Amino acid sequence: QQQVKQSPQSLIVQKGGIPIINCAYENTAFDYFPWYQQFPGKGPALLIAIRPDVSEKKEGRFTISFNKSAKQFSLHIMDSQPGDSATYFCAATTGGGNKLTFGTGTQLKVEL
Amino acid sequence: SQTIHQWPATLVQPVGSPLSLECTVEGTSNPNLYWYRQAAGRGLQLLFYSVGIGQISSEVPQNLSASRPQDRQFILSSKKLLLSDSGFYLCAWSTGDTEAFFGQGTRLTVV
Repeated sequence: QQQVKQSPQSLIVQKGGIPIINCAYENTAFDYFPWYQQFPGKGPALLIAIRPDVSEKKEGRFTISFNKSAKQFSLHIMDSQPGDSATYFCAATTGGGNKLTFGTGTQLKVEL
Repeated sequence: SQTIHQWPATLVQPVGSPLSLECTVEGTSNPNLYWYRQAAGRGLQLLFYSVGIGQISSEVPQNLSASRPQDRQFILSSKKLLLSDSGFYLCAWSTGDTEAFFGQGTRLTVV
């Protein structure tokens, strides 16, 4: 029940395309859902996060869509660029400083 | 602003040797601290977390241990490294109802 399932495992898109990464969870106590971006050899960096009281959140080219009833959330990257090539992790937590539960990651490659 | 320091960045150690990785956080008090391990091309596995000095919770049985001697210091140790301990080790912190912030990681290769 603590798992967060993430798909796809890897994704290749052309420059300007809109990659979509999906995550699903079971634990209805989760109330905070951050996304992390990780470049090779670096630690993950917080990208964007959402709470279940909203259905969508945008920050620049990154958008989270959240479907509370389906217990699913997804990351969309608009006008993707080669510099967006990285591994993306979704995560969930019950808040209050509790530990995050991470998805298994998606390796994104944006080709010219 | 808060910063997290993790060192060393890379480490090559022989099998059977001891290990000590250190992580410190600046700019915040009483953070929750975490050690994660990431195998090549894999996800993040939580190893230990701490909500205060001397308070350590272990997520998986293993050859490693953690200690928190000071409020903003977290140490990952091993008495005798195994080949399977190789990986990318990440320290992270969080406070209250927030997401975690990661250090830059330590690439450990056990040979």
